[in-house]
Parts: sequence; structure tokens; C-alpha cells
Amino acid sequence: ETGVTQTPRHLVMGMTNKKSLKCEQHLGHNAMYWYKQSAKKPLELMFVYSLEERVENNSVPSRFSPECPNSSHLFLHLHTLQPEDSALYLCASSPTRNTEAFFGQGTRLTVV
Amino acid sequence: QQQVKQSPQSLIVQKGGISIINCAYENTAFDYFPWYQQFPGKGPALLIAIRPDVSEKKEGRFTISFNKSAKQFSLHIMDSQPGDSATYSCAASIGNFGNEKLTFGTGTRLTIIP
Repeated sequence: ETGVTQTPRHLVMGMTNKKSLKCEQHLGHNAMYWYKQSAKKPLELMFVYSLEERVENNSVPSRFSPECPNSSHLFLHLHTLQPEDSALYLCASSPTRNTEAFFGQGTRLTVV
Repeated sequence: QQQVKQSPQSLIVQKGGISIINCAYENTAFDYFPWYQQFPGKGPALLIAIRPDVSEKKEGRFTISFNKSAKQFSLHIMDSQPGDSATYSCAASIGNFGNEKLTFGTGTRLTIIP
């Protein structure tokens, strides 16, 4: 295990639902990331937090809303998603932004 | 525009054989080239990485070959084992610009058959 824990592992939600993905690390890392992994597509960076401050937002639709309440926790709030948002959402953390990132196991999201 | 092109999309290799996955990049400013290994139900994990000052890096059965003039790099898995079955993704970035600057390939699903 990498020490990065994501919950839930699987999520099915309707397009009108609101749900949240949770990521937790107790590795003492200062940077945390959300990635989207879709079949046959490159891993896409969504958000980066460094020392609890958002430092990167790669033109992600506003229906995805990140939250980093402290250095150990990262959330991705979801609302009014589209079927094309179905994917594996991966959280990662690293000691600093320039060091190796460790990934969680991901949340498999299906939007129906 | 995809800056890192990876091939093949899937690969089946017999146990004991050599698995070869290729990546090509366009941005000549890239100077860090990692490979990630991802098992089903798991997140990616850094496997091996190379910088362009060397043409080859070997760690156990895994070797990265780097061709700067051709803007290509490849992963070779010698004596492939069923436990190597996973998705392998190459990536590229510019030096110390951080993880957020990594550009990933589309991944190769490798299956090692007995």
C-alpha cells in the first residue's frame, strides 16, 4: 500500500446527485493531487494543492469542486455530472511538488 | 495535441520473452522521462525514470532506452513474468517544474501468458 487511501472505491451516481470523493494521507506530504483516468486516454491532472493552497486548476468544469481542509485530507465534490465524467479518479500525494507522487487506488465513478 | 505518443495500446508476450513499449515526444524541452506501472485495481506507481544525459538505465529486469535525436524512449522488460501483467504508462516533463507538469502517454496494457 502507498499510504494514500481513497473512499469510496466504487460510486454510481445519477446526473442530478451530489457526492464527494475522499482522499487521505498520513505520510506528512505537502502536495496533493486529483487525476482523472479514462480508458485509452492519458492520465489527466485536475487539481493540485500545495500546503493546503490550490496551485493548479487545469480548466476543469465547475461541476468538480475540490476542497483541502488540511494537509492530510483532500475532497472532490461532484454535482450534476455527465455520463462522460465516468472514469477512475485518482488521488496522489508527494512530499513536495517536485518529488515522487504516490497514488491511491482510485474511485471508479459511473454516472448514469 | 498529444505531446507523448505511446504504442502499442496492448501487448501480449509469452513468459520469458522481452516486452517492449515505445513512446515518442515532441517537446524538446522535456528532460525527465518516467515510466509508471499500474496493476488492476491499483493506482500508478513510479517504476523507473531517465534523464537525457544517459542513453540507457537499467533496474533489474527493467530497462529504459533513450534516443534524444529521435525524441523516443522505450521500456524493455526482460524475462517477462506473469506478475508483470499491468498497464504501463510513459510520461515526460521539464525538470523541476513539478508533478503537475507531467505529460502522460495513453498507456499499454501488457499481458504475459504462460
